Amino acid sequence: AQTVTQSQPEMSVQEAETVTLSCTYDTSENNYYLFWYKQPPSRQMILVIRQEAYKQQNATENRFSVNFQKAAKSFSLKISDSQLGDTAMYFCAFLYNFGNEKLTFGTGTRLTIIP
Amino acid sequence: ETGVTQTPRHLVMGMTNKKSLKCEQHLGHNAMYWYKQSAKKPLELMFVYSLEERVENNSVPSRFSPECPNSSHLFLHLHTLQPEDSALYLCASSPSGGTYSGANVLTFGAGSRLTVL
Repeated sequence: AQTVTQSQPEMSVQEAETVTLSCTYDTSENNYYLFWYKQPPSRQMILVIRQEAYKQQNATENRFSVNFQKAAKSFSLKISDSQLGDTAMYFCAFLYNFGNEKLTFGTGTRLTIIP
Repeated sequence: ETGVTQTPRHLVMGMTNKKSLKCEQHLGHNAMYWYKQSAKKPLELMFVYSLEERVENNSVPSRFSPECPNSSHLFLHLHTLQPEDSALYLCASSPSGGTYSGANVLTFGAGSRLTVL
């Protein structure tokens, strides 16, 4: 069975600073996808970024980027120039069963951006 | 509006009540999901429907009964729940219809916060 571990229950950072959220996972699969989802106080889960395991290049989406280390099974999220709207729960998720998108989620990291 | 709408946003019920959660999507997606989100736990997948057929039932107690009358609507019928069933119930949808199509992104609703007294 796949597992996803987020070891930082809570983090806080000053506005405009850079913050990195960690995620590790365990799998014997070789072909899979990794995701970071954001859940703001409105509760709607929003996709932030995704990474295909077969791609060596790290994914980036504007201020969000990942550091994907396949051998180490690590998938961290870096948020640059953090903004107040980045305050949310962040969930790391793993997917290997394509077709029915049965994601395995971590327990989340609560990120607070301080003005 | 996200494209996936869940009602009600909040629900309080006694253990002997019967209630239903509703999810609606207008994204043209073929698959719909129910997840349970409890504090300090990973999201738990409960049910998956693909093309209106249930393809996954993740060992969920029978007091939770899903229904998918068409590809746009998904219900979760609740009866004789327990206090430990109190949680945020999230609905999601994706384009896939059960065949390999790469990692289609799930679109989530804002959830229904359920409290069982």
